[in-house]
Amino acid sequence: GENVEQHPSTLSVQEGDSAVIKCTYSDSASNYFPWYKQELGKGPQLIIDIRSNVGEKKDQRIAVTLNKTAKHFSLHITETQPEDSAVYFCAASRLTGGGNKLTFGTGTQLKVEL
Amino acid sequence: KAGVTQTPRYLIKTRGQQVTLSCSPISGHRSVSWYQQTPGQGLQFLFEYFSETQRNKGNFPGRFSGRQFSNSRSEMNVSTLELGDSALYLCASSRGDGEAFFGQGTRLTVV
Repeated sequence: GENVEQHPSTLSVQEGDSAVIKCTYSDSASNYFPWYKQELGKGPQLIIDIRSNVGEKKDQRIAVTLNKTAKHFSLHITETQPEDSAVYFCAASRLTGGGNKLTFGTGTQLKVEL
Repeated sequence: KAGVTQTPRYLIKTRGQQVTLSCSPISGHRSVSWYQQTPGQGLQFLFEYFSETQRNKGNFPGRFSGRQFSNSRSEMNVSTLELGDSALYLCASSRGDGEAFFGQGTRLTVV
């Protein structure tokens, strides 16, 4: 089955700096890669996603890149703010053939310091 | 637009008991997936229902089961509870095209 590795497990940045979180996946048939943000006491919130036919996607301060050959994808947050502090999860899924099964990475605790 | 609603938010059960958790998806979404979140194992997929049929199943014992109703609401049941079943149980709602939106979860504590 699919295996997703995520690094780093913790990341501390100064406000205004950029943060990068990296994930690798094992199943070359995976074609959908979402990122979730989870704040304390809440469920994961979908913040951005990318499909395998696209190499990069941006949404304001957040961007995701995908390298299918190397089977890795990354989350980039620019101009970080204290409210970006949370746990971030990457995930991979094989949508072709039906099914919404997400395999998650182990999470990155992001702390944005003032 | 209402989000995904999970009830109850918190539960305390005794070993050996059974429990039923409920999830109401976003209106129009026909896919409901369930995940278990623990500090040690992270987020793990339990099963997915689409139009009342189980479409995918994770690697959990048969004590974990679920169902989906014609209005897309879903329930999951855990029988013969064990201490290790203590976790946050999350439900995710989707149209079936990938984008999945999670509820706030049900925190289950088994004592």
